Formats: sequence, structure tokens, C-alpha cells
Amino acid sequence: DVKVTQSSRYLVKRTGEKVFLECVQDMDHENMFWYRQDPGLGLRLIYFSYDVKMKEKGDIPEGYSVSREKKERFSLILESASTNQTSMYLCASSPPGSGVLYGYTFGSGTRLTVV
Amino acid sequence: AQKVTQAQTEISVVEKEDVTLDCVYETRDTTYYLFWYKQPPSGELVFLIRRNSFDEQNEISGRYSWNFQKSTSSFNFTITASQVVDSAVYFCALKGGGSNYKLTFGKGTLLTVNP
Repeated sequence: DVKVTQSSRYLVKRTGEKVFLECVQDMDHENMFWYRQDPGLGLRLIYFSYDVKMKEKGDIPEGYSVSREKKERFSLILESASTNQTSMYLCASSPPGSGVLYGYTFGSGTRLTVV
Repeated sequence: AQKVTQAQTEISVVEKEDVTLDCVYETRDTTYYLFWYKQPPSGELVFLIRRNSFDEQNEISGRYSWNFQKSTSSFNFTITASQVVDSAVYFCALKGGGSNYKLTFGKGTLLTVNP
């Protein structure tokens, strides 16, 4: 069964810490995405990557960066965590080109709390 | 700009009732794709269906059916004879016809099916 795995289900970090959220997919997908999900706001795209070392900003990239050194791994980095980054973070992947029309495959999410 | 509106924030029904989740979209693309995802309490979004803008045929899958109407820019989702296992957050999403891989999600509708 194909999978997107997020390394942590729950995470608590302190304000100002550098935080790494890891996502690994085993489907050989070119595209990977990071969304954050907040009550009343739905899913908002932070960053996406369409190939190794390639990345594009989504709708809310401020305060975040990403890294994609290998095809299967896409990391979201909070350079200096703040309380307004407390949220559920969802990673997703999809095949390239028209493959995206078959939908994204999502991970189970990481619920990050910044105190 | 693309936009997806799910006006119903929360819906509560009793088991065996029929329920319709509304989705209205905005896009300037002539070719586009619409999706529905289900997010159960476990957190992982599950792909349910995709419809293409050039195919307005409605679709039925078991207790699920989807009504796509370009004239009203709507893509509504009906669950017939709802069950407790249908309790989840449901997201409608839109992808434009260009090479952009991004899905634009609505804010989601929380469906609670009570026994």
C-alpha cells in the first residue's frame, strides 16, 4: 500500500526553536506538498516541490522554508518557531503531470504546538 | 484566482438520514478539475472523487453521489442513508487546467452522524 509518512504525530516546541517536520513517500512521486490546516481556514499551501532541489512558494510561505535533497523526502523547516505556527501540518505527494489528477496522497499529519 | 466555498461549517444528522454537502467554486480556467476528500478523525485525507470540467455527468458510488453543475459552479456531494462511519471533515478542492500542480481547498464541512 502506498504511503506518505510524517515522522511525528504530535510535537511540542518552544518559541524560537528551529523545528524540522519530516515527510517521506514511497511512491516515487515527483510532487510533494506541505499544507497547514487550521479551524475555519481549511488547508493552506505553504510550499511545494516538483523535483529534487526544486521548490515553489505556496500561499503562506512566510516563516517557513523547505528542503528536498532526495526524491522521497520533503522537509518543512520553521526557522524560529512562533505561537502562531501552532497548527496541524499535512504533507502530500502526487505523480507528475496528469498524474496529479488522480489526487494527492496525504500523510496523517503532525500536530505542532509552539509554547 | 481560484476559490472554493463550502458554506456549511458543520452538519449534524441522525444515522440513516440523507445529507448533502455543498461546494461552490470560482475559476477563470475553461478546463479544471474538482475533487472531494474525506478526513476521518485519524487525520489522513482520503481521495474520494475527481470530476473534469468537460464531463458534467453525475456519479454514484454506493451510498455516495456527486452532482456537478457548471451553470451554478457547484459540485455537491450527497451521502444516502448516512452511517456513523461517515463522520468526518469533508473537503472540496479545485485544480486549474494549467501546469500548476496546486489544489485549492475549501474550508471543509464537519459532518457528524449520530446513532
